[in-house]
Amino acid sequence: DIQMTQSPASLSASLGETVTIECLASEDIYSNLAWYQQKPGKSPQLLIYYANSLNDGVPSRFSGSGSGTQYSLKINSLQSEDVSIYFCQQNYDSPPTFGSGTKLEIK
Amino acid sequence: QVQLQQSGAELAKPGSSVKISCKASGYTFTSYDISWIKQTTGQGLEYIGYINTGSGGTYYNEKFKGKATLTVDKSSSTAFMQLSSLTPEDTAVYYCARTGTTLPHYYVMDAWGQGASVTVSS
Repeated sequence: DIQMTQSPASLSASLGETVTIECLASEDIYSNLAWYQQKPGKSPQLLIYYANSLNDGVPSRFSGSGSGTQYSLKINSLQSEDVSIYFCQQNYDSPPTFGSGTKLEIK
Repeated sequence: QVQLQQSGAELAKPGSSVKISCKASGYTFTSYDISWIKQTTGQGLEYIGYINTGSGGTYYNEKFKGKATLTVDKSSSTAFMQLSSLTPEDTAVYYCARTGTTLPHYYVMDAWGQGASVTVSS
């Protein structure tokens, strides 16, 4: 199985700041990388697919980038509703696998 | 709007089975697969498998073969997952999710159910 290593495990930032979350795959996944947001007590929601394609309805302050084995999720102008756990997931090979999550809090 | 409505929380005894349902609405049911995902505090998110809602064909993560059985009832747009021979390690929240069938959406889960909590305890 492809291993997904996500960092940092937790992150605290101020409102209006920009934050970046990283995801490293154990092998090349050719941009087949999705990001999900899980708000407290809720189910995960798709933010980005194919490394940099924004899902419908997702605010433009979210963006994704990367290629090969290294990917990142950037959140500009952090807002209070962004408090969540963020997961990456590779959809290149079976079974799909997830990163361990990054918990984002507001300072 | 797309909705996946899962059945409620389950409390089960070790060795027993549970069956979770996932009723879809707001889209053409057979145009997407339904995936099942396990979430625990310790192990994070684990992919169990998917069912092709048109053909009933299934894929299981090797780790969950023999544990999970996926079925579908097209007439009611409902997918099911049965978990058997339950142990405390099966205690988790289980999600169903609408899943793309073609690249680049293959294995991308763009709508999730609210989750079904399964607790295994004697």
